[in-house]
Amino acid sequence: DIAMTQSPDSLAVSLGEGATINCKSSQTIFSGSTNKNYLAWYQQKPGQPPKLLIYWASARESGVPDRFSGSGSGTDFTLTISSLQAEDVAVYYCQQYFNSPLTFGPGTKVEIK
Amino acid sequence: QITLKESGPTLVKPTQTLTLTCTFSGFSLSTNEVGVAWIRQPPGKALEWLALIYWNDGVRYSPSLQNRLTITKDTSKNQVVLTMTSLVPEDTATYYCAHRQGYSGSGKQGFDFWGQGTMVTVSS
Repeated sequence: DIAMTQSPDSLAVSLGEGATINCKSSQTIFSGSTNKNYLAWYQQKPGQPPKLLIYWASARESGVPDRFSGSGSGTDFTLTISSLQAEDVAVYYCQQYFNSPLTFGPGTKVEIK
Repeated sequence: QITLKESGPTLVKPTQTLTLTCTFSGFSLSTNEVGVAWIRQPPGKALEWLALIYWNDGVRYSPSLQNRLTITKDTSKNQVVLTMTSLVPEDTATYYCAHRQGYSGSGKQGFDFWGQGTMVTVSS
């Protein structure tokens, strides 16, 4: 199984400031045949299902604000919120779909400082 | 517009079998590269993928739960059913079904539409 880890566990950021969440996979999730990283990012607000933000590590889902961006390759990935808004308070998960079983990271909680 | 909705019992006794139904609209599970997955989340904990069924009847299971899970689809009814046997209190969670489009490097392959989830409590 590919294990996903995230750091930090939580972070508090002032409104308008940037936030960075890291995600690491226990083995590469980059495919040389497709030239893609098999990683997605989700946002989950309390009492709601997760929402897809990013797929293929850096492709923004339709309707997702451009302050959210994904980067990285191989085993190390980052979700960046460029200017935190109040509605961004949530738990963020990364997920790999390179191999079955599909696996999620433990989540990073983002709060307002 | 794609929607999914989970249904099933809210309370199940230990050792019993859980049957959950995902009823969806806005897409067909006979369309190429479409899949529906079940994912659960214990209270206050992270997401855990359970099973996935594809348009071509391919199925994938979490290895840790494989001997307890069965996922099936009824394309005519637009439903996916998950059966989980031998329930224990640790199976208490919110169970989600989710849509996925893409296969082997195509599409998005992230879970782009989710149901609201159904909370299942395992307790005597």
